[in-house]
Amino acid sequence: QQPVQSPQAVILREGEDAVINCSSSKALYSVHWYRQKHGEAPVFLMILLKGGEQKGHEKISASFNEKKQQSSLYLTASQLSYSGTYFCGTRRGIYSGNTPLVFGKGTRLSVIA
Amino acid sequence: AAGVIQSPRHLIKEKRETATLKCYPIPRHDTVYWYQQGPGQDPQFLISFYEKMQSDKGSIPDRFSAQQFSDYHSELNMSSLELGDSALYFCASSFSLARGAADTQYFGPGTRLTVL
Repeated sequence: QQPVQSPQAVILREGEDAVINCSSSKALYSVHWYRQKHGEAPVFLMILLKGGEQKGHEKISASFNEKKQQSSLYLTASQLSYSGTYFCGTRRGIYSGNTPLVFGKGTRLSVIA
Repeated sequence: AAGVIQSPRHLIKEKRETATLKCYPIPRHDTVYWYQQGPGQDPQFLISFYEKMQSDKGSIPDRFSAQQFSDYHSELNMSSLELGDSALYFCASSFSLARGAADTQYFGPGTRLTVL
């Protein structure tokens, strides 16, 4: 079951904030966030686990809402380097290590000066 | 830190030809995944191997096959290439620390395959 990401695309000016959502109709146990620049590999940002706390990475943080089966990625004071496509990936269940991630369709983020 | 290595980085083939893509996972990682990504699309899972055995199969065409060798490197073999096979092919690896759904996948730089 492919997770649903929103919005599909967003344009920001440097210094502005953005929120990217990832939701699933199935129970979520972990959400993996990646950023991919054009023609490059997806780069791992962070993982959110069910029952875990909000994670942070510089000015990028994320949360996991178990009731809504949703994870949100927060980008604050955006920089030009934040531009790229953000993917969330999910797995089938809690004991599903070494199974492939299923990715959402991505959110294209463009930060302009 | 060592990363996933893929070769070649770029490959140009004619229709109906064959291609072999190679992937060297991060040392001590026991699982390798292959993904295909078309322009503007999300990565689509093809196939994966855990401890040299096929563990999961996704939308991999019958024309493709893959295996993982004793040194844990993996090869994706593609035959009777079609124009629609042109894409970025990523290999990712992970280490099963018995963390279940928390195992993190790390992606290689990809191989850009162009079929003419």
